[in-house]
Amino acid sequence: GAGVSQSPSNKVTEKGKDVELRCDPISGHTALYWYRQSLGQGLEFLIYFQGNSAPDKSGLPSDRFSAERTGGSVSTLTIQRTQQEDSAVYLCASSLEGRGSYSPLHFGNGTRLTVT
Amino acid sequence: TQLLEQSPQFLSIQEGENLTVYCNSSSVFSSLQWYRQEPGEGPVLLVTVVTGGEVKKLKRLTFQFGDARKDSSLHITAAQPGDTGLYLCAGAIWGKLIFGTGTRLQVFP
Repeated sequence: GAGVSQSPSNKVTEKGKDVELRCDPISGHTALYWYRQSLGQGLEFLIYFQGNSAPDKSGLPSDRFSAERTGGSVSTLTIQRTQQEDSAVYLCASSLEGRGSYSPLHFGNGTRLTVT
Repeated sequence: TQLLEQSPQFLSIQEGENLTVYCNSSSVFSSLQWYRQEPGEGPVLLVTVVTGGEVKKLKRLTFQFGDARKDSSLHITAAQPGDTGLYLCAGAIWGKLIFGTGTRLQVFP
């Protein structure tokens, strides 16, 4: 079956422009996560969606970052007025059940964002 | 401050050697997962440990959860070039999954 799909796989943008990153989770997965990974290091939590509950936005680094999840499926992460420090790989993951369960996270291959 | 510290950060070894990667914290986790990530791909789950003192084996990989559920280790026996990748531990705490700093392993033929 299809895994988590992210698009685009690579994005180069100029400083100050807005970007949208898309995530298609595995069908039937109720939980969706966005993480950021810099220089092949550990993952930094950004935001978490679970069903119809209010998202956990506690990891968003600034108000330039926002995300939505439409119809409990596709999610879009938007970064406004991009800065060079936003350059990183943005990873999306979905899981069958939400936090508090032992459901594994299934990750997409990420979007590599480069801000010039 | 980083909640989950992994050591070593980098490890380069020859095929056939054994190695251990550590994941340490001062916090107690309800469960801990280990992932492996290859270049250009997302992390893939290797194992989940839940009980303090639990040991799980996956072929040449042995995972242990500390008795107090604050730390974990991953031991690889007779490493192969296919084991090359970034190893990430992730602990479940406060309803969140927190990832460690990562250990980059390279195994040379």
